[in-house]
Amino acid sequence: KQEVTQIPAALSVPEGENLVLNCSFTDSAIYNLQWFRQDPGKGLTSLLLIQSSQREQTSGRLNASLDKSSGRSTLYIAASQPGDSATYLCAVRSTGNQFYFGTGTSLTVIP
Amino acid sequence: DAGITQSPRHKVTETGTPVTLRCHQTENHRYMYWYRQDPGHGLRLIHYSYGVKDTDKGEVSDGYSVSRSKTEDFLLTLESATSSQTSVYFCAISENSGGYETQYFGPGTRLLVL
Repeated sequence: KQEVTQIPAALSVPEGENLVLNCSFTDSAIYNLQWFRQDPGKGLTSLLLIQSSQREQTSGRLNASLDKSSGRSTLYIAASQPGDSATYLCAVRSTGNQFYFGTGTSLTVIP
Repeated sequence: DAGITQSPRHKVTETGTPVTLRCHQTENHRYMYWYRQDPGHGLRLIHYSYGVKDTDKGEVSDGYSVSRSKTEDFLLTLESATSSQTSVYFCAISENSGGYETQYFGPGTRLLVL
Protein backbone atom coordinates (compact mmCIF):
# COMPACT_ATOMS: atom_id res chain seq x y z
CA LYS A 1 0.00 0.00 0.00
CA GLN A 2 1.30 3.42 -0.90
CA GLU A 3 2.31 5.62 2.06
CA VAL A 4 2.67 9.37 1.58
CA THR A 5 4.48 11.52 4.12
CA GLN A 6 4.82 15.28 4.37
CA ILE A 7 7.40 16.92 6.57
CA PRO A 8 7.26 19.28 8.35
CA ALA A 9 3.68 19.19 9.59
CA ALA A 10 3.79 22.94 10.18
CA LEU A 11 5.99 25.75 8.95
CA SER A 12 6.09 29.45 9.77
CA VAL A 13 8.09 31.92 7.67
CA PRO A 14 8.34 35.71 7.32
CA GLU A 15 6.82 37.32 4.27
CA GLY A 16 9.09 37.40 1.23
CA GLU A 17 11.00 34.27 2.07
CA ASN A 18 11.38 31.43 -0.39
CA LEU A 19 10.38 28.04 1.00
CA VAL A 20 10.26 24.34 0.16
CA LEU A 21 7.63 21.81 1.17
CA ASN A 22 8.45 18.12 1.04
CA CYS A 23 6.49 15.05 0.06
CA SER A 24 7.76 11.48 0.05
CA PHE A 25 6.10 8.26 -1.06
CA THR A 26 7.02 4.62 -0.58
CA ASP A 27 6.09 3.06 -3.91
CA SER A 28 7.77 4.67 -6.92
CA ALA A 29 5.31 3.07 -9.35
CA ILE A 30 3.12 6.14 -9.66
CA TYR A 31 1.25 7.66 -12.56
CA ASN A 32 1.36 11.22 -11.31
CA LEU A 33 1.68 13.44 -8.27
CA GLN A 34 -0.57 16.37 -7.49
CA TRP A 35 -0.14 19.28 -5.07
CA PHE A 36 -3.20 20.87 -3.47
CA ARG A 37 -3.91 23.85 -1.29
CA GLN A 38 -6.56 23.76 1.43
CA ASP A 39 -7.78 26.83 3.26
CA PRO A 40 -9.41 26.38 6.68
CA GLY A 41 -12.92 24.96 6.39
CA LYS A 42 -12.66 24.68 2.63
CA GLY A 43 -12.14 22.03 0.01
CA LEU A 44 -8.94 21.29 -1.85
CA THR A 45 -7.71 23.40 -4.74
CA SER A 46 -5.41 21.81 -7.29
CA LEU A 47 -2.13 23.67 -7.70
CA LEU A 48 0.14 21.55 -9.86
CA LEU A 49 0.14 18.11 -11.43
CA ILE A 50 3.36 16.34 -12.38
CA GLN A 51 3.23 13.31 -14.62
CA SER A 52 5.47 10.38 -13.76
CA SER A 53 7.59 11.11 -16.84
CA GLN A 54 8.16 14.75 -15.87
CA ARG A 55 10.74 16.26 -13.57
CA GLU A 56 9.00 19.53 -12.71
CA GLN A 57 6.05 21.82 -13.29
CA THR A 58 5.75 25.55 -12.75
CA SER A 59 2.83 27.86 -12.18
CA GLY A 60 3.56 31.45 -11.26
CA ARG A 61 5.55 31.51 -8.01
CA LEU A 62 5.12 27.76 -7.55
CA ASN A 63 7.49 25.10 -8.80
CA ALA A 64 7.00 21.41 -8.12
CA SER A 65 9.66 18.81 -8.75
CA LEU A 66 9.47 15.03 -8.86
CA ASP A 67 12.17 12.43 -8.33
CA LYS A 68 10.25 9.24 -8.82
CA SER A 69 13.16 6.89 -8.23
CA SER A 70 13.80 8.29 -4.77
CA GLY A 71 10.11 8.73 -3.97
CA ARG A 72 10.28 12.46 -3.40
CA SER A 73 8.58 15.64 -4.52
CA THR A 74 9.09 19.22 -3.46
CA LEU A 75 6.91 22.28 -3.78
CA TYR A 76 8.91 25.49 -3.98
CA ILE A 77 7.13 28.75 -3.22
CA ALA A 78 8.99 31.91 -4.19
CA ALA A 79 8.61 35.25 -2.43
CA SER A 80 5.99 34.02 0.01
CA GLN A 81 2.98 36.20 0.84
CA PRO A 82 0.49 36.13 3.72
CA GLY A 83 -2.13 34.92 1.23
CA ASP A 84 -0.08 31.76 0.78
CA SER A 85 -0.98 30.72 4.32
CA ALA A 86 -2.86 27.43 4.03
CA THR A 87 -2.35 23.70 4.30
CA TYR A 88 -0.56 22.11 1.37
CA LEU A 89 -1.19 18.47 0.52
CA CYS A 90 0.40 16.16 -1.96
CA ALA A 91 -1.31 13.15 -3.48
CA VAL A 92 0.02 10.35 -5.67
CA ARG A 93 -1.93 8.30 -8.12
CA SER A 94 -0.86 4.68 -7.96
CA THR A 95 -2.24 1.61 -9.72
CA GLY A 96 -5.85 1.66 -10.70
CA ASN A 97 -7.44 5.03 -10.25
CA GLN A 98 -6.81 5.55 -6.55
CA PHE A 99 -5.08 8.56 -5.08
CA TYR A 100 -3.13 8.52 -1.79
CA PHE A 101 -2.74 11.68 0.24
CA GLY A 102 -0.18 12.97 2.69
CA THR A 103 -1.33 14.60 5.92
CA GLY A 104 -0.26 18.03 4.75
CA THR A 105 2.01 20.89 5.78
CA SER A 106 0.35 23.85 7.46
CA LEU A 107 2.07 27.01 6.23
CA THR A 108 1.87 30.38 7.97
CA VAL A 109 3.42 33.41 6.29
CA ILE A 110 3.96 36.21 8.78
CA PRO A 111 3.52 39.78 7.48
CA ASP B 1 -14.09 24.08 -9.86
CA ALA B 2 -15.46 21.24 -12.04
CA GLY B 3 -19.04 22.00 -10.96
CA ILE B 4 -19.08 19.82 -7.83
CA THR B 5 -21.60 20.43 -5.08
CA GLN B 6 -22.20 18.54 -1.86
CA SER B 7 -25.27 18.42 0.33
CA PRO B 8 -25.82 18.92 3.11
CA ARG B 9 -22.81 21.07 3.99
CA HIS B 10 -23.25 20.48 7.71
CA LYS B 11 -25.11 17.78 9.59
CA VAL B 12 -25.53 16.75 13.20
CA THR B 13 -27.02 13.36 13.85
CA GLU B 14 -27.28 10.77 16.59
CA THR B 15 -25.57 7.43 16.89
CA GLY B 16 -27.49 4.67 15.15
CA THR B 17 -29.34 6.84 12.65
CA PRO B 18 -28.87 6.49 8.90
CA VAL B 19 -27.25 9.38 7.03
CA THR B 20 -26.95 10.01 3.31
CA LEU B 21 -24.59 12.54 1.78
CA ARG B 22 -24.98 13.65 -1.80
CA CYS B 23 -22.37 14.66 -4.35
CA HIS B 24 -23.53 16.26 -7.57
CA GLN B 25 -21.45 17.13 -10.62
CA THR B 26 -22.50 18.91 -13.77
CA GLU B 27 -19.75 17.96 -16.23
CA ASN B 28 -20.38 14.29 -16.92
CA HIS B 29 -17.19 13.00 -15.32
CA ARG B 30 -16.90 9.24 -15.18
CA TYR B 31 -14.90 8.89 -11.97
CA MET B 32 -16.23 10.10 -8.63
CA TYR B 33 -14.79 9.61 -5.14
CA TRP B 34 -15.73 9.90 -1.49
CA TYR B 35 -13.01 10.72 1.03
CA ARG B 36 -12.99 11.48 4.70
CA GLN B 37 -10.54 13.88 6.29
CA ASP B 38 -9.50 13.54 9.91
CA PRO B 39 -6.72 15.21 11.89
CA GLY B 40 -3.52 13.20 11.68
CA HIS B 41 -4.82 10.98 8.87
CA GLY B 42 -5.12 13.26 5.90
CA LEU B 43 -7.66 12.26 3.28
CA ARG B 44 -8.60 8.61 3.08
CA LEU B 45 -10.61 7.04 0.30
CA ILE B 46 -13.94 5.50 1.31
CA HIS B 47 -15.43 4.42 -2.03
CA TYR B 48 -15.16 5.44 -5.62
CA SER B 49 -17.20 5.00 -8.77
CA TYR B 50 -16.07 4.50 -12.35
CA GLY B 51 -19.51 4.72 -13.93
CA VAL B 52 -23.22 4.35 -13.32
CA LYS B 53 -23.74 1.42 -10.95
CA ASP B 54 -19.98 0.72 -10.97
CA THR B 55 -18.36 1.25 -7.60
CA ASP B 56 -15.43 -0.08 -5.61
CA LYS B 57 -14.13 0.09 -2.06
CA GLY B 58 -11.36 2.30 -0.79
CA GLU B 59 -9.16 1.82 2.27
CA VAL B 60 -11.79 2.84 4.89
CA SER B 61 -15.05 1.49 3.45
CA ASP B 62 -16.37 -0.36 6.53
CA GLY B 63 -19.66 1.15 7.71
CA TYR B 64 -20.27 2.98 4.42
CA SER B 65 -22.16 2.17 1.25
CA VAL B 66 -22.48 4.10 -1.99
CA SER B 67 -24.78 4.28 -4.95
CA ARG B 68 -24.59 5.86 -8.36
CA SER B 69 -27.80 5.52 -10.34
CA LYS B 70 -26.98 8.40 -12.70
CA THR B 71 -23.75 9.98 -13.86
CA GLU B 72 -24.17 13.24 -12.02
CA ASP B 73 -24.96 11.92 -8.53
CA PHE B 74 -22.85 9.84 -6.14
CA LEU B 75 -24.43 9.08 -2.77
CA LEU B 76 -22.62 8.04 0.39
CA THR B 77 -24.70 6.31 3.08
CA LEU B 78 -23.85 5.61 6.67
CA GLU B 79 -26.31 2.86 7.47
CA SER B 80 -26.04 3.32 11.23
CA ALA B 81 -23.87 6.28 12.14
CA THR B 82 -21.24 5.93 14.87
CA SER B 83 -19.20 8.58 16.66
CA SER B 84 -16.08 7.36 14.83
CA GLN B 85 -17.69 8.56 11.60
CA THR B 86 -17.61 12.17 12.76
CA SER B 87 -15.47 13.73 10.08
CA VAL B 88 -15.34 16.03 7.10
CA TYR B 89 -16.41 14.25 3.94
CA PHE B 90 -15.17 15.33 0.53
CA CYS B 91 -16.40 14.33 -2.84
CA ALA B 92 -14.07 14.50 -5.80
CA ILE B 93 -14.04 13.84 -9.50
CA SER B 94 -11.12 13.05 -11.70
CA GLU B 95 -10.80 14.68 -15.06
CA ASN B 96 -8.75 13.30 -17.89
CA SER B 97 -6.59 16.00 -19.39
CA GLY B 98 -4.12 14.99 -22.05
CA GLY B 99 -4.33 11.36 -21.00
CA TYR B 100 -3.73 12.00 -17.29
CA GLU B 101 -6.16 12.09 -14.38
CA THR B 102 -6.42 15.22 -12.23
CA GLN B 103 -8.63 15.39 -9.16
CA TYR B 104 -10.99 18.22 -8.26
CA PHE B 105 -12.85 18.49 -4.98
CA GLY B 106 -16.19 19.63 -3.68
CA PRO B 107 -16.51 21.98 -0.70
CA GLY B 108 -17.00 19.21 1.88
CA THR B 109 -19.66 18.11 4.36
CA ARG B 110 -19.04 18.39 8.09
CA LEU B 111 -20.73 15.52 9.91
CA LEU B 112 -21.02 15.30 13.67
CA VAL B 113 -22.35 12.08 15.17
CA LEU B 114 -23.40 12.49 18.80
